[in-house]
Amino acid sequence: QQPVQSPQAVILREGEDAVINCSSSKALYSVHWYRQKHGEAPVFLMILLKGGEQKGHEKISASFNEKKQQSSLYLTASQLSYSGTYFCGTEIGKLTFGTGTRLTIIP
Amino acid sequence: DTGVSQNPRHKITKRGQNVTFRCDPISEHNRLYWYRQTLGQGPEFLTYFQNEAQLEKSRLLSDRFSAERPKGSFSTLEIQRTEQGDSAMYLCASSNSGGTTYEQYFGPGTRLTVT
Repeated sequence: QQPVQSPQAVILREGEDAVINCSSSKALYSVHWYRQKHGEAPVFLMILLKGGEQKGHEKISASFNEKKQQSSLYLTASQLSYSGTYFCGTEIGKLTFGTGTRLTIIP
Repeated sequence: DTGVSQNPRHKITKRGQNVTFRCDPISEHNRLYWYRQTLGQGPEFLTYFQNEAQLEKSRLLSDRFSAERPKGSFSTLEIQRTEQGDSAMYLCASSNSGGTTYEQYFGPGTRLTVT
């Protein structure tokens, strides 16, 4: 089953904060976050593992609630370059991508 | 590190023709993945390799699709008797399998249009 993300889309002014949520119906071992700009390939942002280990982007943070099978991505002081579609992905071997959240940053 | 490369970047073919795509992963990565993405959707898993062994195939991968990674380096994805529903972006990604984190790095994709 595909993880469900919320919101589906959000529009922010530059400098505002955003939270993107990812919820899975299956137990999670790890959660990956990717950003994809229009016409480009997904770019790795962050991975979160059971037990709290994180690896990824310096300016973007995320949380992982193993019991609730949920993860959230926190974008603070958003920049124009943050625009794109964000996907969470759950992994056992391959990635199962979430439904996606389109983020638009306006000046 | 030159990143993941894919060729061709675009392919237009007529229905019924066969097509083959190539992916060259990051050189030190032993895992290679194929995904398919249609407009407005997230990438969907097709298959993946660890070295030359194909470890998993999605049920999306019909008999018309076949993938190989003969020497554990580059991989090819072949679609036989293409259909209009095969039109999509085909993405390749690679990763390591050592340690506890398996972040995947994606290539630019091959956009297939079946007319």
